[in-house]
Amino acid sequence: DGGITQSPKYLFRKEGQNVTLSCEQNLNHDAMYWYRQDPGQGLRLIYYSQIVNDFQKGDIAEGYSVSREKKESFPLTVTSAQKNPTAFYLCASSTGTGVSGANVLTFGAGSRLTVL
Amino acid sequence: DQQVKQNSPSLSVQEGRISILNCDYTNSMFDYFLWYKKYPAEGPTFLISISSIKDKNEDGRFTVFLNKSAKHLSLHIVPSQPGDSAVYFCAARVVGSARQLTFGSGTQLTVLP
Repeated sequence: DGGITQSPKYLFRKEGQNVTLSCEQNLNHDAMYWYRQDPGQGLRLIYYSQIVNDFQKGDIAEGYSVSREKKESFPLTVTSAQKNPTAFYLCASSTGTGVSGANVLTFGAGSRLTVL
Repeated sequence: DQQVKQNSPSLSVQEGRISILNCDYTNSMFDYFLWYKKYPAEGPTFLISISSIKDKNEDGRFTVFLNKSAKHLSLHIVPSQPGDSAVYFCAARVVGSARQLTFGSGTQLTVLP
């Protein structure tokens, strides 16, 4: 079955540590995204990538880093510079930006990061 | 600046009745609107979308209405079922925008049996 796999589902981190969240898709989608969800807030865009070896900052990129070395993979690193990293992180993909159609995002199941 | 707003954080409806979830937006460049449904500890799943050239789109029990002059859209669920209990996110995008979707803060719908 095609889809997006995020791992780990739950992750605990001590302050000052970097952690990397994995996101893999087998949908052959060109574009991939990372969103963060906090209670009472909508999903906020962290980073996105339209093509391999290229990515752009979203609205809240500070304290995060990404790479896009392969089409199917878009890992997110939460660095120690991120002041409030405890959140639910969602990876998504789509066929691309497209000039027509809604270009629906397909989401993974998410990763919950807790900083101790 | 919140460009997509869902002013009702929660909504309770009796099973079999209509659920109406509302969403307002401020950016007149939004050209496509989507609704996503999210269960706890899962990723959102796409529900229904509407283009700005339409004022209504229907898919089974779900209908989305768009009022461009008021910059308002709504999702109607008829009849509501207990399995519809979830958080519903309104999202909007500018066609051709690489930044993809801007999400509202979500509305928790609870359908009471």
